Amino acid sequence: QVQLQQSGAELVKPGSSVKISCKASGYTFTSYDMHWIKQQPGNGLEWIGWIYPGNGNTKYNQKFNGKATLTADKSSSTAYMQLSSLTSEDSAVYFCAREGSYGGYRPFDYWGQGVMVTVSS
Amino acid sequence: DIQMTQSPSFLSASLGNSITITCHASQNIKGWLAWYQQKSGNAPELLIYKASSLQSGVPSRFSGSGSGTDYILTISNLQPEDIATYYCQHYQSLYTFGAGTKLELK
Repeated sequence: QVQLQQSGAELVKPGSSVKISCKASGYTFTSYDMHWIKQQPGNGLEWIGWIYPGNGNTKYNQKFNGKATLTADKSSSTAYMQLSSLTSEDSAVYFCAREGSYGGYRPFDYWGQGVMVTVSS
Repeated sequence: DIQMTQSPSFLSASLGNSITITCHASQNIKGWLAWYQQKSGNAPELLIYKASSLQSGVPSRFSGSGSGTDYILTISNLQPEDIATYYCQHYQSLYTFGAGTKLELK
């Protein structure tokens, strides 16, 4: 069965960077876009961007250009998101989610459990 | 960019009743709309895609409808496990979520 296993919670200092992971299993990792979504405490969902692990192509929400960098390691079926120049506004839960295999455009059919990133001195 | 306006923000209902949540897009999104359920502390789960198609494994008391700019999620015969926050999402070349509807028991 499809599973997306994300790395553990992070406590990081302002101005630093953090890299979180999303290990995929149960499907062909290189055949599906992987998306990343931000959820601040008590708030809604915000799309960050996607990566196609098959060739490394990426697309970002303009708001996260320069903030988030998406990469993928085909050998370990793991997607990564690095967040840089962290501020308190980056404190949130970050989800990875697989884009589904429906015809046409596709929503997110499997999600990781989420990673809490806390930015604090 | 397309904006998604979801209403209401909060909804209180009794077990066994039916509820509706609406989502309005700022332009015609041609049915590229999904609904997700998020229970407290968990990741969202896909309920409905392409406005009205039920995701595999989702109970048939969930249904979606709409076209153009206006879409509806209906939950019939409300069950205790339906207590959650619901989000609509437009998906195409960009991905935009509604602000969410928190469903509580009356």
